Amino acid sequence: KQEVTQIPAALSVPEGENLVLNCSFTDSAIYNLQWFRQDPGKGLTSLLLIQSSQREQTSGRLNASLDKSSGRSTLYIAASQPGDSATYLCAVGGQNFVFGPGTRLSVLP
Amino acid sequence: DAGITQSPRHKVTETGTPVTLRCHQTENHRYMYWYRQDPGHGLRLIHYSYGVKDTDKGEVSDGYSVSRSKTEDFLLTLESATSSQTSVYFCAISLRDAGGNEQFFGPGTRLTVL
Repeated sequence: KQEVTQIPAALSVPEGENLVLNCSFTDSAIYNLQWFRQDPGKGLTSLLLIQSSQREQTSGRLNASLDKSSGRSTLYIAASQPGDSATYLCAVGGQNFVFGPGTRLSVLP
Repeated sequence: DAGITQSPRHKVTETGTPVTLRCHQTENHRYMYWYRQDPGHGLRLIHYSYGVKDTDKGEVSDGYSVSRSKTEDFLLTLESATSSQTSVYFCAISLRDAGGNEQFFGPGTRLTVL
């Protein structure tokens, strides 16, 4: 059974810092991996999707990498802003998606 | 925006009553999902559908049933609601039929069972 973990559980940084969020999974037989953000009381917003054949994807200040052999993905956020404050979830796609517990990010002005 | 709506957005009901939540999509995607999100458990798959009348169970399907009579609608029914089913319910669609398998989520339904 696929298990997904995310480290750290919570992170607080000053505005402008570059930061890395981590996602680990136990079964490397995946189709893809998707990163989401969730604002309090809201739904999930898709950020990036990495196919199993890809190593990374970029969108603006976000860069996500995937290393299937080690069961890891990282989400890199450059020049963080207070508007980036949210919970970030990774989801590993196999037969269905399995979600990690999330990392709660606070970016302080 | 994948054109996903959920109704109702909020509901308070009593233990033992039946409850139906509706998910509606506008883009005719084949795959649809129901998840619940709870503190300490994250998002967990309840049921999913891969076409009209084609559904299957997820990780936490006990106490829930689903139906899909039209491509655009996926219904989640709690036959007899219990307090343990108090949660936020999310519907999602997948672009699996386009090869991308990217998921998009609806806004959620907050259900409280008293």
